[in-house]
Amino acid sequence: EAGVTQSPTHLIKTRGQQATLRCSPISGHTSVYWYQQALGLGLQFLLWYDEGEERNRGNFPPRFSGRQFPNYSSELNVNALELEDSALYLCASSDEQYFGPGTRLTVT
Amino acid sequence: AQKVTQAQTEISVVEKEDVTLDCVYETRDTTYYLFWYKQPPSGELVFLIRRNSFDEQNEISGRYSWNFQKSTSSFNFTITASQVVDSAVYFCALSLYAGANNLFFGTGTRLTVIP
Repeated sequence: EAGVTQSPTHLIKTRGQQATLRCSPISGHTSVYWYQQALGLGLQFLLWYDEGEERNRGNFPPRFSGRQFPNYSSELNVNALELEDSALYLCASSDEQYFGPGTRLTVT
Repeated sequence: AQKVTQAQTEISVVEKEDVTLDCVYETRDTTYYLFWYKQPPSGELVFLIRRNSFDEQNEISGRYSWNFQKSTSSFNFTITASQVVDSAVYFCALSLYAGANNLFFGTGTRLTVIP
């Protein structure tokens, strides 16, 4: 059984640009959770999607958004990138046991 | 509000030593869940254990054991006979929900096991 997958592995963007990160949950799992791990801020909950709907949101500005597709994969979009958005973005699939390998976003 | 404190930023031990990682939590809710994760250098989070607030039984899994004490709001993690492969950052987390919704993480403890 394939685990949680995330793409790309690394992403380099310039301040002000938009970044799109992708997560595919384990087959049969309907929920995707997004977390940000920024230097100095630790791991913080971003978003939860289930059955195509946003179910919960952490304390992040609206420029952090996302969606979930009918196949339960998810996109995280970060608009108007700021330097402090540089972080490892992790997604989890349906419960706390399955995290993906992460996408490292660098904003220059 | 929920809070998790991992006061030990970094710990170094020599292989085969036992090591305990401390975790203290704060919450006013009576139903909550506590977690431990391992993050090796590759970056992914590896789930180790989940405990709910009504189950104070200690747990042992191989070389790993967990001591949950509500009286002191602590959920400590002990590795017995440490190995080099145990070197990683370990995170304690708290949530009001089972699952990965709104986990509050501590700042982590970096464990280095010296051969």
